Order: sequence, then C-alpha cells, then structure tokens
Amino acid sequence: DAGVTQSPTHLIKTRGQQVTLRCSPKSGHDTVSWYQQALGQGPQFIFQYYEEEERQRGNFPDRFSGHQFPNYSSELNVNALLLGDSALYLCASSLEAAEYGYTFGSGTRLTVV
Amino acid sequence: GNSVTQMEGPVTLSEEAFLTINCTYTATGYPSLFWYVQYPGEGLQLLLKATKADDKGSNKGFEATYRKETTSFHLEKGSVQVSDSAVYFCALQGGSEKLVFGKGTKLTVNP
Repeated sequence: DAGVTQSPTHLIKTRGQQVTLRCSPKSGHDTVSWYQQALGQGPQFIFQYYEEEERQRGNFPDRFSGHQFPNYSSELNVNALLLGDSALYLCASSLEAAEYGYTFGSGTRLTVV
Repeated sequence: GNSVTQMEGPVTLSEEAFLTINCTYTATGYPSLFWYVQYPGEGLQLLLKATKADDKGSNKGFEATYRKETTSFHLEKGSVQVSDSAVYFCALQGGSEKLVFGKGTKLTVNP
C-alpha cells in the first residue's frame, strides 16, 4: 500500500517564476494538507483540501494556491516566487476528521535562485 | 493561538545514554499531542501520540506522557542508539485539526 507520494523531489526555480507541486494521498485518505518547512524550522501549515475545496488556510499570501482533484490528489501552486519561498514542501494526507492522524510524504525541496 | 515550544538543540549524546527532549504547549481546549521524527532527507514520521490527559504514548523505546497540569509532553528514551539520530518535532492538533509544530530538536548519537 503506497503512502503519500510527492513530485518532483527537487526543483530549482528562478525568482518571479511560478511552480506547481503534486501530491497523491495514501490510499483511502480523502483530505490533503500542505506544509512549508524552512531550513532549521518546524513545518508551517499552508492549507488543507477536502472535497475539492480549501477548508482551512494558514498565514500564507494569496501567491500560494491549491487544488484537489476528484481522485483526492492535490497540487500546490506558488506564483511570483521569492527567495524566501525556498523550503521543503510537505504534503500530508488523512481521513476527514484526522482522528487516525496524518501520513506525510517525503516532500519536495524547492530552491529559488 | 495554539503554539508549541521545544528545547533548543542540538543535543549530542553517547550511545546508551538517557534522552529527554522537553516540549510544552499552549492551546485552548484539549488538543492531541504528537512527536514526529525526521531523518535526513526524508519527510516526517509519526513516532508516538497521546490524545488525552495522563495518556502515555510509546513506540520504539520512546515515551511521552500528556501532562495537562504542566502543559507538557516531554520525550524520553532510556538508552539511545546511533540510529536514533534525527530531528524530533513536538506537535499538537487542536479543534481546527491542523498540526502546529515546534521548531524541532536535532539529536546526534555518537557510538
């Protein structure tokens, strides 16, 4: 049973560009959350998707947007990249109420130059 | 809002030493508490959890007890191994369901 799959694993982008990161949740999970982990810091919540809608959002600007597809997979889009967006982006999947906890992917390492 | 404070690292121990990583939290209501571990170049793995006061979570020799009176969830292990070297994150999940993490504590265990 595959866990959470994220792609790509590494990415280098230029400041001002746009990027799309992808996540396939663990089989049976219907909720996807995205976190940003800057170097040496704990993960910060970006947003959560359930039933193809954004259900919660953390303190991130509108440059960060997302989408969830009918098969529960998800994308994270970041526009107008800044150097400060360089981080590990983690996807976590769960059942809706998350009572059984979250399963994390290995992340996408984004470097903005 | 909800927050988690962990002891700052890095922590360096010799193999078979006793480990404690302190974690305290601020939250409204009765959150669930977690310890996650992150090995180099990898994502987060759930190490243990506790969902109510006085619960003890345990896994792979690690333990943590949910102490409501001191708002703490300290991680302990009696005898660490080199393979325990990693970054450890304390986290809470409140009513909003999102996870709130501490900044992490890097543990290095030397042979």
